[in-house]
Amino acid sequence: DVKVTQSSRYLVKRTGEKVFLECVQDMDHENMFWYRQDPGLGLRLIYFSYDVKMKEKGDIPEGYSVSREKKERFSLILESASTNQTSMYLCATLGGPGELFFGEGSRLTVL
Amino acid sequence: SQQGEEDPQALSIQEGENATMNCSYKTSINNLQWYRQNSGRGLVHLILIRSNEREKHSGRLRVTLDTSKKSSSLLITASRAADTASYFCATDVGTGGFKTIFGAGTRLFVKA
Repeated sequence: DVKVTQSSRYLVKRTGEKVFLECVQDMDHENMFWYRQDPGLGLRLIYFSYDVKMKEKGDIPEGYSVSREKKERFSLILESASTNQTSMYLCATLGGPGELFFGEGSRLTVL
Repeated sequence: SQQGEEDPQALSIQEGENATMNCSYKTSINNLQWYRQNSGRGLVHLILIRSNEREKHSGRLRVTLDTSKKSSSLLITASRAADTASYFCATDVGTGGFKTIFGAGTRLFVKA
């Protein structure tokens, strides 16, 4: 089975802090994604990566950056966390056409 | 607004009943997927139906797709309490999953 591991399930940070959310996959998938999920809004794509060191902006990239130094690891970075970035963050990989595999999610609260 | 919109937003049924959730979308698609999310967890892929398919089955799941109406439905037969979750439709409008757009989901509650 594909395993997508998000290192932190719950985080509480203060406004202005730098936040790292890490995602690791064990299936050698090329494409990895970061979404945020908010009630009533579904999932919105923040960034995606189709190869090592390659990244593309999604629909809501403002306030975020990403890093993909190794194929299996895709990190989401909040340079200066703000309260409106309180959300559930979901990492996913693409296993086949239209089949996304998700991690368990990281629930971030910014105070 | 979102590409995929589920209806109803919430659904409460008794165990053993069937649950039907609908999804409408706006633009042409390559395929449509349904995902399930238990409370506080990640999403799990349930089933994918391609744009040239009309119906697909997987266990107790039945998905239909009507591209002329830009709509899909997910039927869960003989529901169980363990089916309680949120269900999302997602549409692929590009290649490589880069344009997978999710709806806001239907919350299903199955009473034992």
